[in-house]
Amino acid sequence: KQEVTQIPAALSVPEGENLVLNCSFTDSAIYNLQWFRQDPGKGLTSLLLIQSSQREQTSGRLNASLDKSSGRSTLYIAASQPGDSATYLCAVRRSTGGGNKLTFGTGTQLKVEL
Amino acid sequence: DTAVSQTPKYLVTQMGNDKSIKCEQNLGHDTMYWYKQDSKKFLKIMFSYNNKELIINETVPNRFSPKSPDKAHLNLHINSLELGDSAVYFCASSRGTGGYEQYFGPGTRLTVT
Repeated sequence: KQEVTQIPAALSVPEGENLVLNCSFTDSAIYNLQWFRQDPGKGLTSLLLIQSSQREQTSGRLNASLDKSSGRSTLYIAASQPGDSATYLCAVRRSTGGGNKLTFGTGTQLKVEL
Repeated sequence: DTAVSQTPKYLVTQMGNDKSIKCEQNLGHDTMYWYKQDSKKFLKIMFSYNNKELIINETVPNRFSPKSPDKAHLNLHINSLELGDSAVYFCASSRGTGGYEQYFGPGTRLTVT
């Protein structure tokens, strides 16, 4: 059974700092991994989708890396801003069958302070 | 032009009642999902439909019955509501089942009193 863990559970940083969020998964047989952000009382916004054959994906100030064999992904946020404050979730999709089922991590609640 | 929409946004009801949540997507996707986010913010899949056919059913009590009248809609009906059903329910859609990116709705916060 796939288990996805995110560390830290909460993080508070001053504006402008670069930061790394971690995601680990127990079953390395994944198809891809998706990073989301969730704002309070809102739905999930997809940030990056990284395929199992890829090592990293970039979008603006965000960079996601994937080390499938060790069961780890990181989300790097450069020059953090207060608007980055949200909960960040990673989710993995198994490699065969499963009907595109996502298994979510526990989330990292990020606060970027002025 | 909302991609995935859900109604209602908030739902407060008493134990024992029956309620429905509706979901619609205008992305032309074939696959739709229901997820539940509990009080600890943990998200877990409940159901998935592909072309109106149920393909994922994750050990959910049979009080929960999804219905997909067409590819653009996936509704969730809940019978005999219990306190433990209180959660945020998210609908999502994707182009298909082959590892495609999923797009989420804004969620429906269900409170059972």
